[in-house]
Amino acid sequence: AQKITQTQPGMFVQEKEAVTLDCTYDTSDPSYGLFWYKQPSSGEMIFLIYQGSYDQQNATEGRYSLNFQKARKSANLVISASQLGDSAMYFCAMREVGNEKLTFGTGTRLTIIP
Amino acid sequence: NAGVTQTPKFRVLKTGQSMTLLCAQDMNHEYMYWYRQDPGMGLRLIHYSVGEGTTAKGEVPDGYNVSRLKKQNFLLGLESAAPSQTSVYFCASRYSGYGYTFGSGTRLTVV
Repeated sequence: AQKITQTQPGMFVQEKEAVTLDCTYDTSDPSYGLFWYKQPSSGEMIFLIYQGSYDQQNATEGRYSLNFQKARKSANLVISASQLGDSAMYFCAMREVGNEKLTFGTGTRLTIIP
Repeated sequence: NAGVTQTPKFRVLKTGQSMTLLCAQDMNHEYMYWYRQDPGMGLRLIHYSVGEGTTAKGEVPDGYNVSRLKKQNFLLGLESAAPSQTSVYFCASRYSGYGYTFGSGTRLTVV
């Protein structure tokens, strides 16, 4: 069964610093995808970045990068040069290929301090 | 381009009342999903559909029913609302591959 673990309930980071949000996952399926979503206080779910299990390189999208360590089953989100607008809940999620269920972690609340 | 639209955005129900949440997407997506989000928990899958006329149970289906009579619409029904169904409900859709698009959510309170 697929499972996502986010061990940081909350983080406080100084503006302009880089931040790493931790995510570990568990699956026995060799084919899967990993996602990160941002949920600001307004409530919508915003897609940030995706990593496929067979992708050779770590995914990057602007200031977001995914540190994918397959052997450790780790998929940490790195945000470079944090901004005040990055303050939000961040969710890691996973879907096994052939399984329609997108499994979410419990989230990390990130607060950027000016 | 509206994407995924959920109605209503807020609703208060009395225990035992029924209601239907509507999800509409204008992206011609095959797959549609209903999730619920509770405090301290990630989103959990209630029901999903892989195409018009099909539905399937997710992780927490009890107390809910769904229908997908038209490709663009996915309805979530609560026949007899209970306080445990107080939650924020999200609809999502995808075409193929990995891209999920979420609606803005419906905040439901059952008193």
